[in-house]
Amino acid sequence: KNQVEQSPQSLIILEGKNCTLQCNYTVSPFSNLRWYKQDTGRGPVSLTIMTFSENTKSNGRYTATLDADTKQSSLHITASQLSDSASYICVGGSNYQLIWGAGTKLIIKP
Amino acid sequence: NAGVTQTPKFRVLKTGQSMTLLCAQDMNHEYMYWYRQDPGMGLRLIHYSVGEGTTAKGEVPDGYNVSRLKKQNFLLGLESAAPSQTSVYFCASSVPSGGPDEQYFGPGTRLTVT
Repeated sequence: KNQVEQSPQSLIILEGKNCTLQCNYTVSPFSNLRWYKQDTGRGPVSLTIMTFSENTKSNGRYTATLDADTKQSSLHITASQLSDSASYICVGGSNYQLIWGAGTKLIIKP
Repeated sequence: NAGVTQTPKFRVLKTGQSMTLLCAQDMNHEYMYWYRQDPGMGLRLIHYSVGEGTTAKGEVPDGYNVSRLKKQNFLLGLESAAPSQTSVYFCASSVPSGGPDEQYFGPGTRLTVT
C-alpha cells in the first residue's frame, strides 16, 4: 500500500532553535520526494523537490535529505523564526501519482 | 500575477444540492489538479487535466465531475452533495518540465455539506 508517514505529528520549539522533521515513505512508482509548507488556512507552498538520485537540497534555512535505499527523508530547519509556524508536508511519488503525508504541525514560540 | 485563484472561498450546501467550484490560473500552465484535504489526512487527488479539453481521474474521483474548456480554468462539480464531501478543496497547476513538476496551489475552498 502506498503511504507516507511523518513524525512527529506536532512539535513546539523556541524561536532561534533548529529542528528536524522525519518522513518515511512506501510509494511506487517513485521518482521524486517533495516537501511543502502549509500555513493555516492557505494552500501548500513548495519548499524542495528532489529526484530519487538526489541526496540533499536546500532552500534558504530549509534543508531536505533523501535516502532512497531506506525510503526516508528529513527536513531540517535552521534558526527557526516565528513565520516558520506551519504544517510541513512530505510528498512522494511521480508527477501524476503523488502520495501526501498528513504533515507535521510546527509551532515556534518566542 | 494572481497565480491560482479559487471561487468561492467558503460554501455550505445541503445534502443533495449541486455546486461548481471554479479554479483559474494566469501562469499559462498546462496541467491543473483538484485535491481534497481532510483533517488528519494527506491531500488526495480527485481529478487532473494535462491540457485543454482533457481530464483524468485521480485517487478519489467518485461523486465529482470536472471540465477544462479553457486552458486557464478548471471546474469541479458536485452533482448531488453528500456529507462525506465536507472538506477543503485545493486547486493546483503546473507546467511540464521534463522532471518533477512544481505544483502551485490556490487558497482553497472550504465546503460544508449538512
